[in-house]
Amino acid sequence: EAGVAQSPRYKIIEKRQSVAFWCNPISGHATLYWYQQILGQGPKLLIQFQNNGVVDDSQLPKDRFSAERLKGVDSTLKIQPAKLEDSAVYLCASSSSNSPLHFGNGTRLTVT
Amino acid sequence: EDQVTQSPEALRLQEGESSSLNCSYTVSGLRGLFWYRQDPGKGPEFLFTLYSAGEEKEKERLKATLTKKESFLHITAPKPEDSATYLCAVRGSGNTGKLIFGQGTTLQVKP
Repeated sequence: EAGVAQSPRYKIIEKRQSVAFWCNPISGHATLYWYQQILGQGPKLLIQFQNNGVVDDSQLPKDRFSAERLKGVDSTLKIQPAKLEDSAVYLCASSSSNSPLHFGNGTRLTVT
Repeated sequence: EDQVTQSPEALRLQEGESSSLNCSYTVSGLRGLFWYRQDPGKGPEFLFTLYSAGEEKEKERLKATLTKKESFLHITAPKPEDSATYLCAVRGSGNTGKLIFGQGTTLQVKP
């Protein structure tokens, strides 16, 4: 089966600019996650969707981050405006029921 | 609050030198402890899920074990291709099914 697809792979922006990341989960997976992984740390959950509804966004900095999942499939994560501390790898993952999470290869964001 | 701590942060081994990675956790109602492998520039790759104390799972040179407070990832006779960051995560009954990750252990195996 095809894995989780993410794009772009890399992005470099200046602080205060905006950026968007895209994710296509594994077909049939109802649950989609966005994680942020800062260099040297483990992934931290930003937002979790069940189909196209938000289940958990308690760790999402809502003043600058937003996410949506249209028609319960693809998802986009947006940052506006970006800060230096947003430099990280943004990982998308999907799962079905209580199965393990399957991760994409992430988007590496550098904010200068 | 669910929490995961991994040790050591980094581990260097000679090829063939067996060792263990530790994952200590606190969680309300464990619904799974997960081990992942992450190579540079890649997303985490699933290795094992353990559900109850005493459970063990094996895959090639890796064996994962679970107690009520910690999990170990034993690496027997490692090879250079085992070099990676190993992440531990828990899923608790009090949350939505998300995984809470530790900070990882970076393993380097020298030939």
